[in-house]
Amino acid sequence: AQKITQTQPGMFVQEKEAVTLDCTYDTSDQSYGLFWYKQPSSGEMIFLIYQGSYDEQNATEGRYSLNFQKARKSANLVISASQLGDSAMYFCAMREPNFGNEKLTFGTGTRLTIIP
Amino acid sequence: DVKVTQSSRYLVKRTGEKVFLECVQDMDHENMFWYRQDPGLGLRLIYFSYDVKMKEKGDIPEGYSVSREKKERFSLILESASTNQTSMYLCASSLLGGTTRTDTQYFGPGTRLTVL
Repeated sequence: AQKITQTQPGMFVQEKEAVTLDCTYDTSDQSYGLFWYKQPSSGEMIFLIYQGSYDEQNATEGRYSLNFQKARKSANLVISASQLGDSAMYFCAMREPNFGNEKLTFGTGTRLTIIP
Repeated sequence: DVKVTQSSRYLVKRTGEKVFLECVQDMDHENMFWYRQDPGLGLRLIYFSYDVKMKEKGDIPEGYSVSREKKERFSLILESASTNQTSMYLCASSLLGGTTRTDTQYFGPGTRLTVL
């Protein structure tokens, strides 16, 4: 089974609208971390936002917020007031406590295109 | 700001050549990682290192080796490049190996390798 599922391969959104990128995850651990990254066409993975499994409040970083629903195992990224520069690939990732096999597990990504 | 640099943005090599990909981070991070990224497959971990001269296999280590002689530098080696190793290679580093925000992985700009 996929550990991280991003069901939207591509999305088109009008500039200035809000957009929600979906992410569901699968883990049996109680302690884990969820991350969102943005990858522009230049290729670099840019860290956007983090949510810990024990965090009681949804994470926010500027125009980015994370809609964390633990019981449903979902961690959707919300971008408010989208801009043309938001056009990129977006990846959801999870980090589980597993000493000796440290890694992020990534989803397959969502390509977001902002339309002027 | 964390800075992770990679020696080349684009690289073209011939089948059978020995290829070195270099990664340097300037934030005194303990952990360093090498991923490859392929369309539709997301990012897959090749190797990681949590200390100098220490290395651990990731999900797809076959055909690769790594070297970490200094804390800030992590090299990926393709002993005999093959066409199926044509891919985007991303290096990352993180301070610690847990699930908190401080364990965020920061990525370099990537190296797009083509093996002919």
